[in-house]
Amino acid sequence: TQLLEQSPQFLSIQEGENLTVYCNSSSVFSSLQWYRQEPGEGPVLLVTVVTGGEVKKLKRLTFQFGDARKDSSLHITAAQPGDTGLYLCAGEAGATNKLIFGTGTLLAVQP
Amino acid sequence: NAGVTQTPKFQVLKTGQSMTLQCAQDMNHNSMYWYRQDPGMGLRLIYYSASEGTTDKGEVPNGYNVSRLNKREFSLRLESAAPSQTSVYFCASSEETGILGNQPQHFGDGTRLSIL
Repeated sequence: TQLLEQSPQFLSIQEGENLTVYCNSSSVFSSLQWYRQEPGEGPVLLVTVVTGGEVKKLKRLTFQFGDARKDSSLHITAAQPGDTGLYLCAGEAGATNKLIFGTGTLLAVQP
Repeated sequence: NAGVTQTPKFQVLKTGQSMTLQCAQDMNHNSMYWYRQDPGMGLRLIYYSASEGTTDKGEVPNGYNVSRLNKREFSLRLESAAPSQTSVYFCASSEETGILGNQPQHFGDGTRLSIL
C-alpha cells in the first residue's frame, strides 16, 4: 500500500511568518497534486507537479517535487489569515488518475 | 456553475439502517470517485468509476456499494450502517484516466454522516 506522510500535522503561526509543509513517501509517483480544503467544503486543487525537481510558484506559494518523485514540499512566504486551511498532497501512481492522499496539514494563520 | 453536487449535506442514521448518498456532476467528466475523510487520515478512496458503466473498488470498499447511474450521477449506498462508517463523504469527478493522467479532481462539499 502506498502511503503519503505529511508533516507537520498541525501548524499555528502568526501572519507574516514563513512555513514549509512536507509530503513524503517511499513510493514513486508519476505526478503529485496539492489541494487546500476549507471547513465545510471539499478540497480544491492548487497545483500539479509532474517532473522530478520541478518547482512551481503560485503567488506566495512555492511547490517542489523531489528529484526521485517520492516527496514534495509546499513553502508559504509571508503567510496571511486567508491561507488558513487543511493542505493535502495527493500522489498519482501511473496514469490511473487514482490518487493516494496524504494525511493532511492543518494550518492556522493568526492575524 | 454547480460543479459537483452532493445530497444530503448532513444525515444521522441508526446502526443497521440503509442509506444512499447522491452525487451529480455537470462537467461532462468520465471519471467519478467516492472518498471518506476521517481525522488524521486524509481522504481514502472507497470506490471509483473510470467511465459510465464501470466501477472498481478503492482502498476501503467494505460495507459500501456504488451505482454509476449515467455519466452525470454516481451514488454510494450503505446497506447496513455501522458506527465505524461515521465520517465525511466526498464525491469527486475528473477527466478520463489513461494517457490524460494528472487530471485534477473536482470535489463536492461533502456529506456529514453520523451513525449511532
